[in-house]
Amino acid sequence: EDQVTQSPEALRLQEGESSSLNCSYTVSGLRGLFWYRQDPGKGPEFLFTLYSAGEEKEKERLKATLTKKESFLHITAPKPEDSATYLCAVRGASGSARQLTFGSGTQLTVLP
Amino acid sequence: DGGITQSPKYLFRKEGQNVTLSCEQNLNHDAMYWYRQDPGQGLRLIYYSQIVNDFQKGDIAEGYSVSREKKESFPLTVTSAQKNPTAFYLCASSILRGQDNSNQPQHFGDGTRLSIL
Repeated sequence: EDQVTQSPEALRLQEGESSSLNCSYTVSGLRGLFWYRQDPGKGPEFLFTLYSAGEEKEKERLKATLTKKESFLHITAPKPEDSATYLCAVRGASGSARQLTFGSGTQLTVLP
Repeated sequence: DGGITQSPKYLFRKEGQNVTLSCEQNLNHDAMYWYRQDPGQGLRLIYYSQIVNDFQKGDIAEGYSVSREKKESFPLTVTSAQKNPTAFYLCASSILRGQDNSNQPQHFGDGTRLSIL
């Protein structure tokens, strides 16, 4: 059974204070790791897909990296508008279209 | 603009009542999904459909039903058999494979919050 664990559950940063969010996963043959951002009362917004260990993707202040056991979402010099819940999900080799397993998310608050 | 539209945004259910949540997409995606989100938990899959007139149960299908009569539409009915329906319901869609055969991300609507009266 695929499993995803995100840590920490909540993170408070001062504006400009860089940090990282962790997504640890157990999956039978990774076919994709997905990062999403979710604002309160909204649906998740797609950020990145990573496929293989060593891969990195960047978007503005966000950078996602992948190893064989975990992914990190690095946030450089965050701003208050980066406050949101960040979700990680994986798709395994046994997956059909259905097999996307989500973590419970990291709630990020960036204080001005 | 292409996207996924869920309605209503808020819904209240009386005991013994069935309610239907709407999900429409104009992205021309083949696959559509319904998830349930509870506080402190990851998204859990209720039902999914890869093609018109076909759908499969997810991990928590009991007390729910769906239909897929059109590619663009995938309504979810929360039946009276679902004893704990209070949650945030999310609809998503995706193409099944990219041109390079890569797994494609799911894209989400803005959800329906269901509460019990």
